[in-house]
Amino acid sequence: DAKTTQPPSMDCAEGRAANLPCNHSTISGNEYVYWYRQIHSQGPQYIIHGLKNNETNEMASLIITEDRKSSTLILPHATLRDTAVYYCIVRGISSNTGKLIFGQGTTLQVKP
Amino acid sequence: DSGVTQTPKHLITATGQRVTLRCSPRSGDLSVYWYQQSLDQGLQFLIQYYNGEERAKGNILERFSAQQFPDLHSELNLSSLELGDSALYFCASSVGGQGNEKLFFGSGTQLSVL
Repeated sequence: DAKTTQPPSMDCAEGRAANLPCNHSTISGNEYVYWYRQIHSQGPQYIIHGLKNNETNEMASLIITEDRKSSTLILPHATLRDTAVYYCIVRGISSNTGKLIFGQGTTLQVKP
Repeated sequence: DSGVTQTPKHLITATGQRVTLRCSPRSGDLSVYWYQQSLDQGLQFLIQYYNGEERAKGNILERFSAQQFPDLHSELNLSSLELGDSALYFCASSVGGQGNEKLFFGSGTQLSVL
């Protein structure tokens, strides 16, 4: 699976959009980009995933560049409860294992 | 609530002892995964089972073992415990254990080895 690079930490004002970047320059054609988050000491939680088109769900939007070498997770109106570690993970969809390999992630601090 | 149940929530034991952590997957999920999270190592994948069979293995120590039972619950056994084994242990489950599936995580077992 391709390696990802994320900034270690970011701040965001409550009510503003949080834009979390991820670089995955070695991503291959059959690999998806997944985002999970972990709120303090809780189990990681699935947010969203995508292949090449932009995706949106009730939690967030995922913007993937045309060359697929980077992506941005957007939380449109961040709240204090969005303070968490956000993990960007690249994983092959044809793999016979569903394991996720977590990096260090980005610690997002939402401030009042 | 993810639907994945882990017990116990907290466990305190001494070095050299053996403990068993238990995980019940979401209803209908056939695959379970175990992860270890310590302060200095982050979230580390340990092992995956699918319908009772080992599917993938990570950096799991030889002192650790796991199994998945016919009713699909799983147990992680940690033996000859060391101080460094103190960590949060998470279990996750997915439907078929494949690369295109979401994983649902339990709330974890906090293990403290004194």
